[in-house]
Amino acid sequence: DAGVIQSPRHEVTEMGQEVTLRCKPISGHDYLFWYRQTMMRGLELLIYFNNNVPIDDSGMPEDRFSAKMPNASFSTLKIQPSEPRDSAVYFCASSFSGRLAPLHFGNGTRLTVT
Amino acid sequence: SQQGEEDPQALSIQEGENATMNCSYKTSINNLQWYRQNSGRGLVHLILIRSNEREKHSGRLRVTLDTSKKSSSLLITASRAADTASYFCAMVPSNTGKLIFGQGTTLQVKP
Repeated sequence: DAGVIQSPRHEVTEMGQEVTLRCKPISGHDYLFWYRQTMMRGLELLIYFNNNVPIDDSGMPEDRFSAKMPNASFSTLKIQPSEPRDSAVYFCASSFSGRLAPLHFGNGTRLTVT
Repeated sequence: SQQGEEDPQALSIQEGENATMNCSYKTSINNLQWYRQNSGRGLVHLILIRSNEREKHSGRLRVTLDTSKKSSSLLITASRAADTASYFCAMVPSNTGKLIFGQGTTLQVKP
């Protein structure tokens, strides 16, 4: 089992640039979640999908953030344009059969916007 | 605002001692989960306790849940240096359906 795979592991970009984070969930999992982790705010749920369909995006901070899941094995989180306050660790997680089931996390993407 | 609040924020103990972390929450829940996060890594699921359960064990882990007090505790017995990590409680409030995490407890186990 390869686990949830995220890329890149680290991303450093300048303010105003577009950033795309990628996630491959565990095969067979039907839920996918994007979280953001900062020291100030802890872990925040940004958006989650069920069977590739976005269910709740109320945690997405602004219109600059967008997420897609074109198929069961791939999701992206895009920030355009990026700002320094977007600096954080972004985690993707997947689960099987439900919002109440244990999540399997990737190792995250550490984003630094200068 | 965070659904879960953890106490203490940081804990430092000697190897072999027990570590207890507490989590309090605000609304009714379906289940409560505990996760561990090693530095620079993603969270790893440890244990899930349902709202109709009071206690659950998994190896050196013991979790309790008191729904009347809206609180849970995680006990790690006979701690090891490898247990050094941050520990998070997480829950799905009945009115939101979204898994919400507490701020975490940072545990340091000294060899």
